Amino acid sequence: SQELEQSPQSLIVQEGKNLTINCTSSKTLYGLYWYKQKYGEGLIFLMMLQKGGEEKSHEKITAKLDEKKQQSSLHITASQPSHAGIYLCGADIGYSGGGADGLTFGKGTHLIIQP
Amino acid sequence: NAGVMQNPRHLVRRRGQEARLRCSPMKGHSHVYWYRQLPEEGLKFMVYLQKENIIDESGMPKERFSAEFPKEGPSILRIQQVVRGDSAAYFCASSPQRVNTGELFFGEGSRLTVL
Repeated sequence: SQELEQSPQSLIVQEGKNLTINCTSSKTLYGLYWYKQKYGEGLIFLMMLQKGGEEKSHEKITAKLDEKKQQSSLHITASQPSHAGIYLCGADIGYSGGGADGLTFGKGTHLIIQP
Repeated sequence: NAGVMQNPRHLVRRRGQEARLRCSPMKGHSHVYWYRQLPEEGLKFMVYLQKENIIDESGMPKERFSAEFPKEGPSILRIQQVVRGDSAAYFCASSPQRVNTGELFFGEGSRLTVL
């Protein structure tokens, strides 16, 4: 089973609209990282959340970590074509296949912005 | 300050050949992580290394795969006797400290195609 579930898997949004992507874990999150990946490229770090209830913003992107530290949401306001790509949440959930040193990632949310 | 450098960006191998993927971390970073991204799947942790030490290889297949991070030079992910199922994007990431205290900086990835 997937340890980090992202929803939706894909999202098509009209330019200018708001959108939300969710990341849910069955385990307590000790650190939650949001990354963006453009097709065929590497991952770009967006934000890191560590404390329950924490919220961070960067330009038009806001991420929150819920109080119980098992879910995070990424919200984009007034979406633009530059927001298109794959959004991945990564988490330190205490282990990654046995070790405590690798982030566990969700499968990603593919975001398409329609002009 | 150059980012994480991976080469080659694209590599084509026939079944049974060897693949070597190189990763030079960001300057000042002594922690290196390798991830594999398969089509339709998320990013999977493979191995975490510090200079001359493998710290966590819990995500590495038991056979044919090996990784090193020598005192001098780049980190190398080596795949012997490649099979079609090894076709994937392999990403390297580095950090100045263990990942659960900070962000990971990713390279652009090396895309391996096995014919």
